[in-house]
Amino acid sequence: DAGVIQSPRHEVTEMGQEVTLRCKPISGHDYLFWYRQTMMRGLELLIYFNNNVPIDDSGMPEDRFSAKMPNASFSTLKIQPSEPRDSAVYFCATVGAGTGELFFGEGSRLTVL
Amino acid sequence: AQKITQTQPGMFVQEKEAVTLDCTYDTSDPSYGLFWYKQPSSGEMIFLIYQGSYDQQNATEGRYSLNFQKARKSANLVISASQLGDSAMYFCAMREGGDDKLIFGTGTRLQVFP
Repeated sequence: DAGVIQSPRHEVTEMGQEVTLRCKPISGHDYLFWYRQTMMRGLELLIYFNNNVPIDDSGMPEDRFSAKMPNASFSTLKIQPSEPRDSAVYFCATVGAGTGELFFGEGSRLTVL
Repeated sequence: AQKITQTQPGMFVQEKEAVTLDCTYDTSDPSYGLFWYKQPSSGEMIFLIYQGSYDQQNATEGRYSLNFQKARKSANLVISASQLGDSAMYFCAMREGGDDKLIFGTGTRLQVFP
């Protein structure tokens, strides 16, 4: 079974540009999480979905960030307009059965110049 | 207040020795789960081990064991017989019973030397 798939793996863009990060979760996993990892702030939860419905977006830093999950097999995290302080690794993760551990994608490393 | 505290920014251990990575947590929920993840330099997050608050025994997974001391609210990760490939960042995380999300600590960087 394929794991969580994220794209792009790396993105370099200029300040002010729109950035869209994509995630394909593991089939059958009902929860999808978006985390951001930076040296200064560690791993922060941005938003999570249950059955495609956003449950908690209190971690989304500001209105420039938005996330959608139009169906069970796809989610996007969009930043518009991007700023240098958005540079980070963005992880998508889904919850497995049993102990409820998170299965992470490989992350999308974003650099905003 | 921090929910998950990892007080060791970095640790060194010699190959084949055991090492303990500290994690303390803060919750008033009697039901919770504790997780450890490994993040090598390549960046992926790898799940290592899980401990439930009602589990009677400490969790073990191969060379990984969790020293769970409920009264002290600590969930230290013990790696036995360290290998060079164990060099990585290690994160402790918690999920409280009524919640869906995992809260992560700041991590400990472990370096294993020959």
